[in-house]
Amino acid sequence: QQQVKQSPQSLIVQKGGIPIINCAYENTAFDYFPWYQQFPGKGPALLIAIRPDVSEKKEGRFTISFNKSAKQFSLHIMDSQPGDSATYFCAAREKGGTSYGKLTFGQGTILTVHP
Amino acid sequence: GAGVSQSPSNKVTEKGKDVELRCDPISGHTALYWYRQSLGQGLEFLIYFQGNSAPDKSGLPSDRFSAERTGGSVSTLTIQRTQQEDSAVYLCASSPQTSPQYFGPGTRLTVL
Repeated sequence: QQQVKQSPQSLIVQKGGIPIINCAYENTAFDYFPWYQQFPGKGPALLIAIRPDVSEKKEGRFTISFNKSAKQFSLHIMDSQPGDSATYFCAAREKGGTSYGKLTFGQGTILTVHP
Repeated sequence: GAGVSQSPSNKVTEKGKDVELRCDPISGHTALYWYRQSLGQGLEFLIYFQGNSAPDKSGLPSDRFSAERTGGSVSTLTIQRTQQEDSAVYLCASSPQTSPQYFGPGTRLTVL
């Protein structure tokens, strides 16, 4: 059962473009939604995170938009650069219970930014 | 400061052998997690330690997998009688409570 669905699987944009990666979830027990960036051969690195009481969060060139009623959230990368080429994962954390803290990940999006 | 470290970075083993993977979390972090990442896939939760509480083992795929955390710090993930489907990158993360989680570089396990 895939609790967090991520799309697209891959994305190619030109430098300066605004790639958008989307995630959807079903479990209303999720209370924290981070995005991770992973370069080949490295572990995932936390990029930005949001809680469901906020509709948008910006950190530098990265923005998360959150739609609680639709149970969807997305990552926008402004003025994308070739150095942003990486795999991006959305994730969700359950609130409370014995699984509190466990992250459920989307399948990942491979982003390529051409110069 | 030092991040999460994992060893070895790569491990090649023969089918049927046991392997041990080590994780050193960030000092002071009470929570420690193990995830598995298969080629081209997302991360799959395996096990979660929080302080002195009983670990959440709900993600372990079979009884060949086990993990322990000694002294609330270092953790070891053990896979007994390895199978080819165990080949993956095993990632460890730690966090001060439950978030944010900081990941190590992973151990790439190849079972021949």
